Amino acid sequence: GAVVSQHPSRVICKSGTSVKIECRSLDFQATTMFWYRQFPKKSLMLMATSNEGSKATYEQGVEKDKFLINHASLTLSTLTVTSAHPEDSSFYICSARDGLASYEQYFGPGTRLTVT
Amino acid sequence: QKEVEQNSGPLSVPEGAIASLNCTYSDRGSQSFFWYRQYSGKSPELIMFIYSNGDKEDGRFTAQLNKASQYVSLLIRDSQPSDSATYLCAVNKGNTGTASKLTFGTGTRLQVTL
Repeated sequence: GAVVSQHPSRVICKSGTSVKIECRSLDFQATTMFWYRQFPKKSLMLMATSNEGSKATYEQGVEKDKFLINHASLTLSTLTVTSAHPEDSSFYICSARDGLASYEQYFGPGTRLTVT
Repeated sequence: QKEVEQNSGPLSVPEGAIASLNCTYSDRGSQSFFWYRQYSGKSPELIMFIYSNGDKEDGRFTAQLNKASQYVSLLIRDSQPSDSATYLCAVNKGNTGTASKLTFGTGTRLQVTL
């Protein structure tokens, strides 16, 4: 299957700072990437859908000014958590869809964010 | 009513037995259905997907779909301790070829005992 990487895998930051998470498709071009958040023992919650070259579509209740998404190329999307607070601590996972494959989303390994 | 519902478990089965995981969904217009496996602290990995009524087999895994009952299941034959994980059911409401999103259930935790 296709490979998606995320960086960093784990980050600890202080409250009020911003954190950028990168999601890369390594061996395919991802026309669409998705950003999820998962709290402990909970399911994945879609935050936003990111299409290359256009603005991201955010899910209801997700603040677009707090979670900045940039999908500047077919292999890279970034999520920036601005002015992070302890309640933003979570497991952030991206997935990418290969434009040629209709069904499958390939998930990155996730980024564990801890805000102190 | 949740869009995608799963029993949280844990579902405990002995090694070598068949594990049966169930999922129901509320949107009758849903088009395709996915089963993901997630180990603790890791991201989900796709096991299989199904979009037509009936059974789809891949190795020890069989996905079953019944659109009339809005029900999809995953059977794991000859369960192994390494199958112990949380299994997520996901539903895609869009048509094939479009970048439609997945809606996930809360997952069923499977424990395969020795």
